[in-house]
Amino acid sequence: GAGVSQSPSNKVTEKGKDVELRCDPISGHTALYWYRQSLGQGLEFLIYFQGNSAPDKSGLPSDRFSAERTGGSVSTLTIQRTQQEDSAVYLCASGAGTSGSATQYFGPGTRLLVL
Amino acid sequence: AQSVTQLDSHVSVSEGTPVLLRCNYSSSYSPSLFWYVQHPNKGLQLLLKYTSAATLVKGINGFEAEFKKSETSFHLTKPSAHMSDAAEYFCVVSNDYKLSFGAGTTVTVRA
Repeated sequence: GAGVSQSPSNKVTEKGKDVELRCDPISGHTALYWYRQSLGQGLEFLIYFQGNSAPDKSGLPSDRFSAERTGGSVSTLTIQRTQQEDSAVYLCASGAGTSGSATQYFGPGTRLLVL
Repeated sequence: AQSVTQLDSHVSVSEGTPVLLRCNYSSSYSPSLFWYVQHPNKGLQLLLKYTSAATLVKGINGFEAEFKKSETSFHLTKPSAHMSDAAEYFCVVSNDYKLSFGAGTTVTVRA
């Protein structure tokens, strides 16, 4: 079956521009997560959704970052006024539940480069 | 609080020899533990997970891991490395919805 998909796969932007990253989770998965993978920081949790609600936004690095989820499905991560330190791979994952034992299934990621 | 320490940043093995990737965890509660693999320019793929059932967990592609509570370890092993095992491996701990990743171990397989 179809896994988690993300678009675009690569994005190059200029400092100060806004970008939108999209995630399509596995059908029927109620939980959706965003992580960031960067050379200096490794893999970091950003935000998670249960349905359309985001109970935990604690990992978002600044108020330039926001995310939404609509229809309990697609999610968009938006970065406003991008900075060079935002360059990273942004990974999305989805899961059938939010317990600690629930498996998170990852997409291929969006590679963002801010010039 | 939860955290993971992967003891080796890089492991190099010859094809056909055993692989051992070491992981120690810290958790306030009984954790769930995972190993994920990431091939170059690919997403993360689940190898196996421990969720308080059997302490020896078998995963895909011949990998297995043993949960040792007394040592707070969750080491990953494979009896015979294959060229396709060259990748980065992440040990992960979770008490709830939030995964905490180790820094990763890069595996190189020599022909």
